[in-house]
Amino acid sequence: KAGVTQTPRYLIKTRGQQVTLSCSPISGHRSVSWYQQTPGQGLQFLFEYFSETQRNKGNFPGRFSGRQFSNSRSEMNVSTLELGDSALYLCASRISGEGQPQHFGDGTRLSIL
Amino acid sequence: GENVEQHPSTLSVQEGDSAVIKCTYSDSASNYFPWYKQELGKRPQLIIDIRSNVGEKKDQRIAVTLNKTAKHFSLHITETQPEDSAVYFCAASKTQGGSEKLVFGKGMKLTVNP
Repeated sequence: KAGVTQTPRYLIKTRGQQVTLSCSPISGHRSVSWYQQTPGQGLQFLFEYFSETQRNKGNFPGRFSGRQFSNSRSEMNVSTLELGDSALYLCASRISGEGQPQHFGDGTRLSIL
Repeated sequence: GENVEQHPSTLSVQEGDSAVIKCTYSDSASNYFPWYKQELGKRPQLIIDIRSNVGEKKDQRIAVTLNKTAKHFSLHITETQPEDSAVYFCAASKTQGGSEKLVFGKGMKLTVNP
């Protein structure tokens, strides 16, 4: 079974631009979560999608948004990029149900110049 | 909201020694506690997890213990090997409306010296 696939692996943007990241979950996984990883703040939860609906959200500004498609693939969008948005963005998928493990993709490394 | 503290932040051991990583959490409603290993430049990989109705779980050289009363859980690695060198993250979550949001500790960098 293929793992969680994230594209692109690397992105370089400038301040003020916007970016869209993509995540394809493991086949059969309908829940997709996004996390931001930085050296200073560690791994922080952005949001979770299930059946095309956002059902949980972390403490990030509205510039961070996402969506999920009917095939469970998910995209994350960041608008008006700031230098502090430079991070590794990780997507994780899981089977629905209590205590089901989340499986991570390799992430997208976003650098803001 | 939930807060997870992890310590130590770094640990260096000799090959064959044991390593212990400790985490505490703040939300008594948390009921799922996974541990992830992240090697440099790679994805976090789940190595073991435990649910709140279990006090201990073991998988070969790795074991996790949970003390719900004290709200802390620990990862034990025995007979460490150089390939165990990585950053280890603990996390806690609770199920709310079917959703599970992982709250991570800051991570511990383990170095196993041959």
